[in-house]
Amino acid sequence: KAGVTQTPRYLIKTRGQQVTLSCSPISGHRSVSWYQQTPGQGLQFLFEYFSETQRNKGNFPGRFSGRQFSNSRSEMNVSTLELGDSALYLCASSPRPGTGNIPLHFGNGTRLTVT
Amino acid sequence: AQSVTQPDIHITVSEGASLELRCNYSYGATPYLFWYVQSPGQGLQLLLKYFSGDTLVQGIKGFEAEFKRSQSSFNLRKPSVHWSDAAEYFCAVGAVAGSYQLTFGKGTKLSVIP
Repeated sequence: KAGVTQTPRYLIKTRGQQVTLSCSPISGHRSVSWYQQTPGQGLQFLFEYFSETQRNKGNFPGRFSGRQFSNSRSEMNVSTLELGDSALYLCASSPRPGTGNIPLHFGNGTRLTVT
Repeated sequence: AQSVTQPDIHITVSEGASLELRCNYSYGATPYLFWYVQSPGQGLQLLLKYFSGDTLVQGIKGFEAEFKRSQSSFNLRKPSVHWSDAAEYFCAVGAVAGSYQLTFGKGTKLSVIP
């Protein structure tokens, strides 16, 4: 079974631009979560989607948004990029929304560099 | 709100030596606990998880972890480290109510001396 697939693996953008990252979950998994990883802040929860609905969002500004499609694939968008948005963005999937006891399966991430 | 502390930022061990990575959590109820490993340029791989029951849990790659409620700890251990274990290790606690999210520790980077 293929794992979580994130595209692209690397992105370089300029301040003020916007970017869209894509995530395809493991086949059969319907819940998708996004995390941001930076050296300073570590791993931080961005949002979780299930059945095309955002179930929860972390403490990030409105410039960060996402969506989920009917096939469970998800995209996240960051508008008006700032230097501090440079990070590894990780997508994770699980069979269904968790109650804390369902392990997440992570992709290899998209490395975003903002110059 | 839950939190996770990994006191050791960087640990260096010799190949063949034993390993223990520390993790302390703060959570109001029985936690769901995880250990993940991340190799450079890669995503996170689940090593093991604790939900309930036996407090000593076995994972992949020869790792195990012990849940100690009295100490709010979930330390990761391996009896004999291999050079391929060099990576960064993250402890995480899962929220129970409502939407699902993991709260991660800052990670412990493991270096292995051949």
